[in-house]
Amino acid sequence: RKEVEQDPGPFNVPEGATVAFNCTYSNSASQSFFWYRQDCRKEPKLLMSVYSSGNEDGRFTAQLNRASQYISLLIRDSKLSDSATYLCVARIYNFNKFYFGSGTKLNVKP
Amino acid sequence: NAGVTQTPKFQVLKTGQSMTLQCAQDMNHEYMSWYRQDPGMGLRLIHYSVGAGITDQGEVPNGYNVSRSTTEDFPLRLLSAAPSQTSVYFCASREIGQGNDYGYTFGSGTRLTVV
Repeated sequence: RKEVEQDPGPFNVPEGATVAFNCTYSNSASQSFFWYRQDCRKEPKLLMSVYSSGNEDGRFTAQLNRASQYISLLIRDSKLSDSATYLCVARIYNFNKFYFGSGTKLNVKP
Repeated sequence: NAGVTQTPKFQVLKTGQSMTLQCAQDMNHEYMSWYRQDPGMGLRLIHYSVGAGITDQGEVPNGYNVSRSTTEDFPLRLLSAAPSQTSVYFCASREIGQGNDYGYTFGSGTRLTVV
């Protein structure tokens, strides 16, 4: 079983739509969580950290639900430029290892 | 500020050949790691290092060696290339700090094909 699982998508949404992705993690000892964005044939880039209290950065909101062991990413007012693959990352108790999900692909259409 | 620099960007190897993928960072990060990315598998950790002279294995270390003689450099060696090692390789670094975790900075990747 993978440590971190994501729906691969693709999620096809029109511009201006609100879209949400979930990511589940299997190890309850997971301590830190992140969302990364990866454009086609590029390296992943940190989008935002996910804090226990949730956090927001402009159109992006990340939430953590420890009881159900999932994190979520909400994108409001989708832009064409949001089209990318979104990777969920969890740091398990071992400080030195981060586990990546396989990614969720988002296509924002005009 | 260059961040994380990987070379080469592309490489084709024949089965059985060896080579070294280079990675350098100029952010004075203590932690460096190598990942491979395959379709449907996500990024998988190969090896990592928490400082000069200290390395450890990740999820998929077989067939790869690393060393960390300086804070800046973390090369990945393929000992005897196999077609199963065809992948995109990313080097990444991050700070190790008290309190909040810091995310990775990734290099631009090396696309390796083994024929």
